[in-house]
Amino acid sequence: SSELTQDPAVSVALGQTVRITCQGDSLRTYHANWYQQKPGQAPVLVIYGNKYRPSGIPDRFSGSSSGNTGSLTITGAQAEDEADYYCNFRDNGNYRVFGGGTKLTVL
Amino acid sequence: EVQLVESGGGLVQPGGSLRLSCAASGFTFSNYEMNWVRQAPGKGLEWISYISISGDSTYYADSAKGRFTISRDNAQNSLYLQMNSLRGDDTAVYYCARDGYNSAYFKNWGQGTLVTVSS
Repeated sequence: SSELTQDPAVSVALGQTVRITCQGDSLRTYHANWYQQKPGQAPVLVIYGNKYRPSGIPDRFSGSSSGNTGSLTITGAQAEDEADYYCNFRDNGNYRVFGGGTKLTVL
Repeated sequence: EVQLVESGGGLVQPGGSLRLSCAASGFTFSNYEMNWVRQAPGKGLEWISYISISGDSTYYADSAKGRFTISRDNAQNSLYLQMNSLRGDDTAVYYCARDGYNSAYFKNWGQGTLVTVSS
């Protein structure tokens, strides 16, 4: 299956750690990427290749993968991290799939 | 600085056509694979189409197949999406997105252009 499943909503207390997950059989083969999207803005890449952070992304963002699940972890969540987060992968046929997105609320 | 600027969105009637453009700057456009991604109001991201660096290889999501055509002009640093037989569920913000170099992720995004399909 090429579907990716994300929890629709997750909340975290300010300064605490939160993990956002993405499940799909394809993640056993392909790497997960993660994007942050704030209201009215374009998405921003925050993690690629399961665990790599682009330059300019704070190091409180990290990624990991195990089996059919990719994870985005925010260690010490800040108010500005409140956003929608999407996982995605690219298969070897150049098709791309997105998860449904997770709305992160920072309390 | 990488810049992607979409244009061409607007209001179109069901069954109509629209051509979106994406003007690229700040990088060597001809070296990068490109994509279109859309987002319906209040919904998630949906990949629509991919084009190779030369333009000779294209891929489409099932929702776009047979109705949309992606193309590029490397001399003009521009990406296009020709959309025909538009339907109400094509209403969305359309983003152009640049792949990372020889990579499997969307490295840069434009700000998007809104397409509204309504009578």
